[in-house]
Amino acid sequence: KQEVTQIPAALSVPEGENLVLNCSFTDSAIYNLQWFRQDPGKGLTSLLLIQSSQREQTSGRLNASLDKSSGRSTLYIAASQPGDSATYLCAVNRRNGANSKLTFGKGITLSVRP
Amino acid sequence: EPEVTQTPSHQVTQMGQEVILRCVPISNHLYFYWYRQILGQKVEFLVSFYNNEISEKSEIFDDQFSVERPDGSNFTLKIRSTKLEDSAMYFCASKRQSYEQYFGPGTRLTVT
Repeated sequence: KQEVTQIPAALSVPEGENLVLNCSFTDSAIYNLQWFRQDPGKGLTSLLLIQSSQREQTSGRLNASLDKSSGRSTLYIAASQPGDSATYLCAVNRRNGANSKLTFGKGITLSVRP
Repeated sequence: EPEVTQTPSHQVTQMGQEVILRCVPISNHLYFYWYRQILGQKVEFLVSFYNNEISEKSEIFDDQFSVERPDGSNFTLKIRSTKLEDSAMYFCASKRQSYEQYFGPGTRLTVT
């Protein structure tokens, strides 16, 4: 059974810092991995999707990497801003198509101090 | 930009009552999902739906749960007889082939 772990559960950094959020998963047979942002009491906003054949994806100040063989992904946030404060969730998808489903980590709650 | 919508945003119901949570997926998407998140816990997969039938369901998705796509736009989750432990945020998601899943804003279900 796939397990996704995100440590630490919470992180507080000063504005402007570059930071890395970690995600690990137990079963390396994944199809893709998705990073989400969740604001308190809100839905999930997709940030980046990495296919299993890819090593990294970039969107603006965000860069996500994937090392499938070691069961790890990282989300790099450059020049963090207070508006980046949210919970960041990692989720892995084991299959494509009709039987795809996401298995989530518990998330890392990020606080960026002005 | 197209988005997944869900109604209502908050539903309060009494134990034993039936509830229907509604979702409108993105129009050209083919795969539909329900997930739930109990307060303070992980987001959990409930069910996936494609081509008008359930593709996969989790252990949580027992006989009390059902899904339906009654027309070309809506996707619903019904809980026949709600229990206290069904209190959670319920998220609908949809996707196209090989692309990321897009989530709706969620329906907070409170069972009293």
